Amino acid sequence: GDSVTQMEGPVTLSEEAFLTINCTYTATGYPSLFWYVQYPGEGLQLLLKATKADDKGSNKGFEATYRKETTSFHLEKGSVQVSDSAVYFCALVILHTDKLIFGTGTRLQVFP
Amino acid sequence: DGGITQSPKYLFRKEGQNVTLSCEQNLNHDAMYWYRQDPGQGLRLIYYSQIVNDFQKGDIAEGYSVSREKKESFPLTVTSAQKNPTAFYLCASRPGTGVNEQYFGPGTRLTVT
Repeated sequence: GDSVTQMEGPVTLSEEAFLTINCTYTATGYPSLFWYVQYPGEGLQLLLKATKADDKGSNKGFEATYRKETTSFHLEKGSVQVSDSAVYFCALVILHTDKLIFGTGTRLQVFP
Repeated sequence: DGGITQSPKYLFRKEGQNVTLSCEQNLNHDAMYWYRQDPGQGLRLIYYSQIVNDFQKGDIAEGYSVSREKKESFPLTVTSAQKNPTAFYLCASRPGTGVNEQYFGPGTRLTVT
C-alpha cells in the first residue's frame, strides 16, 4: 500500500547548521507530496508542497524536491534557527483520492 | 479572521462517557477531516466528509461517530466503545476539487480516566 517513511529523530543541531530530514515514499499512483510542521501543543501547518516530479517546494528557507527516480522528498534548510525546533511530517496524497498519508514525524531540536 | 477552530483545547472525561469534540471552519472549504495523533506516531484518519450530509470512515473509525449537517461544522463524538480514547485530536479541511493540501486546526487533547 501507499506509505511514507521518515528518518528517526530527534535531529539535534546547533543554530546555523545545515538541515536534512529524509523522506521516502511508496505510492501506487501519482502522489502530491507535502511537508507539515507541528510546534509543541499545536496543530499542523503546511510548510511546502510539490505536485509533480522535479518540482521544488520552498517556504521560509526550507525546500524539498520531488524526486520520482528515488521516490524521495527530503527536506533541507541551509541555516536553522532555534525557532525551527518542531516536529516535521512528510505526507502524500494520491491523485483522485481524499486521503493524506503521513510519516511518523521527525523531531528537530536546535540549540543556540 | 478565517480559519479552523477546535474547542476546547483540553478535555477531561471519565471512562464510559461519550464526549463530543467541536470543529468549525469559516474558510468555505468543502471537505473536512478528523485525525488522531498518539505520541511518537503519525496522524491516523478517523472520518472524513467531502460534502454536507455525507461522510466516510477512515482507517480507525471504530468507537467514533460524526455528523456533517452544515458545511462549516464537523463534530466528532468519541463513544464509550472506543477502547483507548486518550489522544490528541486534529480537525482539518480542504478547499475542494483540484486542491490536495489540507489545513489543520489547533487540536483538542482528550484525556479519559
